Amino acid sequence: GAVVSQHPSRVICKSGTSVKIECRSLDFQATTMFWYRQFPKQSLMLMATSNEGSKATYEQGVEKDKFLINHASLTLSTLTVTSAHPEDSSFYICSAQWAGSYEQYFGPGTRLTVT
Amino acid sequence: GENVEQHPSTLSVQEGDSAVIKCTYSDSASNYFPWYKQELGKRPQLIIDIRSNVGEKKDQRIAVTLNKTAKHFSLHITETQPEDSAVYFCAASKRGGTGGGNKLTFGTGTQLKVEL
Repeated sequence: GAVVSQHPSRVICKSGTSVKIECRSLDFQATTMFWYRQFPKQSLMLMATSNEGSKATYEQGVEKDKFLINHASLTLSTLTVTSAHPEDSSFYICSAQWAGSYEQYFGPGTRLTVT
Repeated sequence: GENVEQHPSTLSVQEGDSAVIKCTYSDSASNYFPWYKQELGKRPQLIIDIRSNVGEKKDQRIAVTLNKTAKHFSLHITETQPEDSAVYFCAASKRGGTGGGNKLTFGTGTQLKVEL
């Protein structure tokens, strides 16, 4: 149980375009979803926290107009990278959590390359 | 906010030896401390976790200890095997309050290499 999927697993886009990444909890209702970014050989850095039906809470230094997060249902959250630039190239990982749980369940990640 | 420091950044051990990774945290209100193993290009996998009401937890070859007074916690892996080679991350969070989930603050990671 507690399976989280992400789509796509890899995406290459041109500079200036937008890319949408989906995160789904397959067998539980995720009241909270988190989005992380991980650069090579670095740790996971939290970008934002989203609660179903509410606006996302962004961490300091993360541009909310560039990284649009939607958590419209208890099983789906999306991250849209708008006007992507090469420096946005990274590994994006989501995690999901149900109400009252300590543990977060991670998706497999999305490798974004902006050319 | 919470700050988690992790040491060492790299650790090389011989197969069968023990490995210890240490983390410290800054927020005394943190009450949940998971450890993750991440292989290259894969998702972090929870290997063990501990809550602040417990001082030690063990699961086969893996154990975690927590010292709330000193605000540090450690991962111990015994009888290491080559398949234990990976990057290990500690994390800390505060669980409690109403709604909102509990965000994790990660340590900087330890590259563990188990040599034959």
